[in-house]
Amino acid sequence: EVQLVESGGGLVQPGGSLRLSCAASGFTFSSYWMHWVRQAPGKGLVWVSRINSDGSSTSYADSVKGRFTISRDNAKNTLYLQMNSLRAEDTAVYYCVLGDAFDIWGQGTMVTVSS
Amino acid sequence: QSALTQPASVSGSPGQSITISCTGTSSDVGSYNLVSWYQQHPGKAPKLMIYEGSKRPSGVSNRFSGSKSGNTASLTISGLQAEDEADYYCCSYAGSSTPSYVFGTGTKVTVL
Repeated sequence: EVQLVESGGGLVQPGGSLRLSCAASGFTFSSYWMHWVRQAPGKGLVWVSRINSDGSSTSYADSVKGRFTISRDNAKNTLYLQMNSLRAEDTAVYYCVLGDAFDIWGQGTMVTVSS
Repeated sequence: QSALTQPASVSGSPGQSITISCTGTSSDVGSYNLVSWYQQHPGKAPKLMIYEGSKRPSGVSNRFSGSKSGNTASLTISGLQAEDEADYYCCSYAGSSTPSYVFGTGTKVTVL
């Protein structure tokens, strides 16, 4: 069974940092592009970032460019999102998502940026 | 690049058919046959319902169908059932521009 399990969310002060992780299982992780998508409380889905299968190519939404870094460790079947200079507007549930069509979603991890 | 435009809400009675529109631009929906649709129940993660405009993943009911005309994609749910009540989001690839992917504003489907 394909599974994506996010972790690393929590409460952080504005300007702080967090690193999200996504443990993948049930498929050949190293063969697939991966994404992070977020959803602010009561709001819609917003694409954040994607990484290709070997980690050599990344892309970011303008709102996080220069502050967030997506990476992956194919040996550990794990996707990461390093989030720096966090702002209140980054408060959201962050989903790890598999595939070009956003085929499979993790359960999400909540990030709250507040003083 | 702005979010794709969806109606805020659509409703129908059990057994009826409803259609949700998703309007983008010539830079996203109109340029690529890469529109997908997601169903999200409250407190749950989204679930892929349609990909590449009209294809259904294994396990998704054939009551769900997708189409596209110009800059507008559509999701039709036929034979509406109580469990179809949820939020629905469209998403389109937008090429090498930023953002690379654009989601819709979301539609709340209510089964009367």
